[in-house]
This record gives sequence, structure tokens and C-alpha cells, in this order.
Amino acid sequence: DTTVKQNPRYKLARVGKPVNLICSQTMNHDTMYWYQKKPNQAPKLLLFYYDKILNREADTFEKFQSSRPNNSFCSLYIGSAGLEYSAMYLCASSSRDREGERLFFGHGTKLSVL
Amino acid sequence: GDSVTQTEGQVALSEEDFLTIHCNYSASGYPTLFWYVQYPGEGPQLLFRASRDKEKGSSRGFEATYDKGTTSFHLRKASVQESDSAVYYCALISGGSNAKLTFGKGTKLSVKS
Repeated sequence: DTTVKQNPRYKLARVGKPVNLICSQTMNHDTMYWYQKKPNQAPKLLLFYYDKILNREADTFEKFQSSRPNNSFCSLYIGSAGLEYSAMYLCASSSRDREGERLFFGHGTKLSVL
Repeated sequence: GDSVTQTEGQVALSEEDFLTIHCNYSASGYPTLFWYVQYPGEGPQLLFRASRDKEKGSSRGFEATYDKGTTSFHLRKASVQESDSAVYYCALISGGSNAKLTFGKGTKLSVKS
């Protein structure tokens, strides 16, 4: 099973309220990622876990939190949603083979902040 | 930092047309180059990748050749089908022990029968 699962598929949130998105994979991958995708923009890496170590991108450091309670699960947490957080959020995990790194993506969670 | 520039916006073709989506990159060292495809309602999935100069990646009739001289990895298909309608992303990973995939903005391909 090479799938990455994300829940929910659609999420509606109010401005100022917290948001928690969930991702899981059963491929025993060490690395899990969260990307943000807005219309007419490239998917943007927000953060990633390598094993239990969290790495957050410098320009999104204070906006997003994450946790990884075990190898299979990873969450993305927004403490206080703003309108600018409306986007598609893509979770991915990666494996390394003889050709190098390969990322597997979930179907995404579309977050709408009102 | 690393960056990828690809054909912007939408490409509209008819079945059996020839497809080219341009991709140019800027990265330190020797990146691995990817093409991902995203169908409606699904996440991006790997089409193919290449990691050496002059290496050709291919899958499902699509192909691209790694060209370090022109820093390009253009996607081509000789005869597109309606089922190829999707968003195509060029991407790269450059060095380091933690793979960080940098994407282009994506190109939406619409094929009419």
C-alpha cells in the first residue's frame, strides 16, 4: 500500500479559530512533509519531520505547528486561522531507492477560512 | 535558493497533438529532476525522474531529458489523449540528507477529443 491518507478532504474554519489537519502513511517512511498550495502558486514546503526531528521553513516558522506521535501519523496545526491560510494542504512521505528520493502525496485537504 | 520555472497557466490541445511543457531550473550542485502529475481530486504522483546529465526519464509515453548545459527538463509526448488532462509539475531535489522537493507552479493540460 503506497498511499498517504489525509483527513478531512475539506475543512471549513472561522477566522481566529484553531485548525488541525491529519495525515497518515503505512509505508514506514522516515520523512513526512506538509506543503501548502494556493492557486497560481507552486506548492510551498511548510515543514517536515525526519524521524522525530521537526524542521520548519524559516518564513513559516511561527505560523504552523506539527506533531508526529509515531512513525505513521503527522498533524499540521494552525493556532489561529486567518484568511491567508485558505489553501490546499498536501501531506507527503518519502522513501529512498537506488535512484534517490521519491515523495508520495496524499489527495490533500482543502482549507477554507471564513 | 532553488527554483523551477515551467510553462505557465494552461495548455489546450486536441487528441493526437504533440505536447511540450518547458521546465528550467536553478539549483546548487547536481539536482534530481522530477515530473509529477496531478489528476482531479488526487494528490501529485510521480511520473518519472532523472538524476544525471543526458539521462532520459519516461513513463506512459511522456519523456524528458536532463540537460545540465541548458538547465532544462522539458516534458514531451508525441500524441496526447484526453485521459492525459491533468496538472503537470516540474520539480527538483538538490543535495543534502533531507530531501526537500521544490516545485514549479504547475501547467494545466486540457485535451479535447
